[in-house]
Amino acid sequence: DVKVTQSSRYLVKRTGEKVFLECVQDMDHENMFWYRQDPGLGLRLIYFSYDVKMKEKGDIPEGYSVSREKKERFSLILESASTNQTSMYLCASRLVREDQPQHFGDGTRLSIL
Amino acid sequence: AQTVTQSQPEMSVQEAETVTLSCTYDTSESDYYLFWYKQPPSRQMILVIRQEAYKQQNATENRFSVNFQKAAKSFSLKISDSQLGDAAMYFCAYRSTTYGNKLVFGAGTILRVKS
Repeated sequence: DVKVTQSSRYLVKRTGEKVFLECVQDMDHENMFWYRQDPGLGLRLIYFSYDVKMKEKGDIPEGYSVSREKKERFSLILESASTNQTSMYLCASRLVREDQPQHFGDGTRLSIL
Repeated sequence: AQTVTQSQPEMSVQEAETVTLSCTYDTSESDYYLFWYKQPPSRQMILVIRQEAYKQQNATENRFSVNFQKAAKSFSLKISDSQLGDAAMYFCAYRSTTYGNKLVFGAGTILRVKS
């Protein structure tokens, strides 16, 4: 089974802090994704990476950056956290084959105070 | 841009009965994938079922089946013999075969199962 692991289930940070969310997958997937999940809005794509050191903006990249130095790890960075970034963050990965779905981590519930 | 609409924020079903969750989408593409994902409370999101648009036959996975109406751009999920463990948030999602990396999600439907 595919395992996508997010480093924290719950995280509390302060406004203005630099925040790192880490995601690791163990199945050698090329694609990795970061979403945020908000009530009534579903999941919205922040960034994705189609391979090491490759990244592409999703639908809501403002205020975020990402890093993918190794294939198995994809980091989401909040450069200067703000209260409107309080949300559930989900990481996913996928094998690049047309019929393959995305596999999700457990999520990180981030609160910015 | 593609959009996915789930018009039912919440649904309830009695244990052992059948429930249908609605999903419509908007696209100009002819080939794509559709998915239903399940997210139990405080647990990981998992894939329930998928459908390739070029396949006419509706996908089925045990008690879960879909009614895929391509012309109407409709993709509903039917859960038969509902169980307490089916209680979750269900998301409908679209993936293009042209821009194959991105999933577009609906807002989700909370399913409650009553015993």
